[in-house]
Amino acid sequence: DTEVTQTPKHLVMGMTNKKSLKCEQHMGHRAMYWYKQKAKKPPELMFVYSYEKLSINESVPSRFSPECPNSSLLNLHLHALQPEDSALYLCASSQGALPPDTQYFGPGTRLTVL
Amino acid sequence: AQSVTQLGSHVSVSEGALVLLRCNYSSSVPPYLFWYVQYPNQGLQLLLKYTSAATLVKGINGFEAEFKKSETSFHLTKPSAHMSDAAEYFCAVTPRGGFKTIFGAGTRLFVKA
Repeated sequence: DTEVTQTPKHLVMGMTNKKSLKCEQHMGHRAMYWYKQKAKKPPELMFVYSYEKLSINESVPSRFSPECPNSSLLNLHLHALQPEDSALYLCASSQGALPPDTQYFGPGTRLTVL
Repeated sequence: AQSVTQLGSHVSVSEGALVLLRCNYSSSVPPYLFWYVQYPNQGLQLLLKYTSAATLVKGINGFEAEFKKSETSFHLTKPSAHMSDAAEYFCAVTPRGGFKTIFGAGTRLFVKA
């Protein structure tokens, strides 16, 4: 099983809402990632978790709050977002956090902030 | 700082023709190099990667890429395009000793019947 699942597929939220994105993998991978992808742009790294600890935060605004409850799950909590945060949010996982381990991507959550 | 450049935001080929997507990196030390494909409304899928073994890397779906240190390039090729190859292709690099993967701007491949 080389699948990374993400829920929901689509999310529409207002600027005052609180919502969460969920990512799950059952490949035994110990590194998990959040990327943000704007339309017609490449993915941009947001966070990296390695062995359930946050190892990289790419200066992401605090309105995005990641959480890794266990080695299979990764959440991204959203609060007080701005319309410019609308994007495709991709989750990925890899065996370890050391390159060149292959990153396996989920299908993404399409987020629209009104 | 490490960067990666993909020449051509759009490439159009006829079905059965050669596919050539260009990628150049900027680094005195060759990084790890990757090619990913993204179909509409989907995540990214790894096509192939260069770590430091053979300079000609074979990937999935008939794609291959050649690492050329003298040209700091890692171009992606496929001898014969299929309609199903139409997608966005990203070249990406991870510096040796680093953790962050940096993606190129992407190249949209169109395949004409």
